[in-house]
Amino acid sequence: AQTVTQSQPEMSVQEAETVTLSCTYDTSESNYYLFWYKQPPSRQMILVIRQEAYKQQNATENRFSVNFQKAAKSFSLKISDSQLGDTAMYFCAFIAYSGAGSYQLTFGKGTKLSVIP
Amino acid sequence: NAGVTQTPKFQVLKTGQSMTLQCAQDMNHNSMYWYRQDPGMGLRLIYYSASEGTTDKGEVPNGYNVSRLNKREFSLRLESAAPSQTSVYFCASTQGWGQPRRNYGYTFGSGTRLTVV
Repeated sequence: AQTVTQSQPEMSVQEAETVTLSCTYDTSESNYYLFWYKQPPSRQMILVIRQEAYKQQNATENRFSVNFQKAAKSFSLKISDSQLGDTAMYFCAFIAYSGAGSYQLTFGKGTKLSVIP
Repeated sequence: NAGVTQTPKFQVLKTGQSMTLQCAQDMNHNSMYWYRQDPGMGLRLIYYSASEGTTDKGEVPNGYNVSRLNKREFSLRLESAAPSQTSVYFCASTQGWGQPRRNYGYTFGSGTRLTVV
């Protein structure tokens, strides 16, 4: 079974600063994907960034980037130039493909990020 | 706008009452899911439907039933609601793995906040 661990229940950052959210995962599969989802107070789940395990290059989306360390099974999210709108719960998630197909997206328990003006 | 539509957005039930949460997607996705979100627990999978005509249990299926009515619609039923089922429920969909084996993440509905008293 796959597991996803987010060790930081809450974090805060000053506006315009940079913050890194941690995520580790455990799997024996080789073909998998990792995601970061953002959940603002509106409750909507928004896909922030996606990383394919077979790609060595770290994914980036504007101010969001990841540090993917496959051997260490680590997948951290860096938010640069933090904005007030970044205040949200952030969930790390994992899905693996194995044989006949795997359809379960497994989530970490989340990190609550507060951006302070 | 294309996406996942959940109804209702809010519901209060008395213990023992039944209800059905509705979910529909218009993205022609193959796979659909029901998750529940509880404080400090992240999102946990209740049931999923990998394709039209199939349904399978997830991590926390007890007390729930599902129906994949057609490719677009996937409903979640609580036959006899209990206070432990107080939660926020999310429906999600994904195209699946396709060829080559790539996964582009899930699209989530806006959630249903259910309170059982």
